[in-house]
Amino acid sequence: NAGVTQTPKFQVLKTGQSMTLQCAQDMNHEYMSWYRQDPGMGLRLIHYSVGAGITDQGEVPNGYNVSRSTTEDFPLRLLSAAPSQTSVYFCASSYVGERGTGELFFGEGSRLTVL
Amino acid sequence: LAKTTQPISMDSYEGQEVNITCSHNNIATNDYITWYQQFPSQGPRFIIQGYKTKVTNEVASLFIPADRKSSTLSLPRVSLSDTAVYYCLVGEDGGFKTIFGAGTRLFVKA
Repeated sequence: NAGVTQTPKFQVLKTGQSMTLQCAQDMNHEYMSWYRQDPGMGLRLIHYSVGAGITDQGEVPNGYNVSRSTTEDFPLRLLSAAPSQTSVYFCASSYVGERGTGELFFGEGSRLTVL
Repeated sequence: LAKTTQPISMDSYEGQEVNITCSHNNIATNDYITWYQQFPSQGPRFIIQGYKTKVTNEVASLFIPADRKSSTLSLPRVSLSDTAVYYCLVGEDGGFKTIFGAGTRLFVKA
């Protein structure tokens, strides 16, 4: 099992460019989520999904779009990159329990720099 | 909102027991309490999850009082490799809005 796979691991963008961070999981998890982590800070939830076709906003959704067309994939799109979006992005997945998520499995992260 | 509050940092010595307490005054009736560990340049890793009373696994114990407004992660006999950031997480929106908070930076000294 690969677990949660994120691509690319590193990316440099210019202000105004768009790009997609890919996230795939092979554990058949219903729940997937995206976080950003700025230096020295905790993780902040961007968007999450509890199943194919269902997405919802987290704490910091502005400037990001997501879609969930399959159980396996949950791409994160930056519409028009800004320097404030320079961060490390983590994707996670989990099964759905009776009280929410179970153990979250994280990818290795994608380090994004916006110039 | 089920916001969590933890100490910013803690120091310990190898071999000691470490207890990290998290406050979550507005926890919803059905929410789990989950703890994660994060090393630099890595994604968080699950430690333990509980709903009430006490939960124990091979690496930690989680103590949750009856009112569930706080929880305490207990790490027995820490080693240098336990130096990391520890996050307490309480899910919102039916347990799916996974808000991490700032975490507690644990530094274990020899």
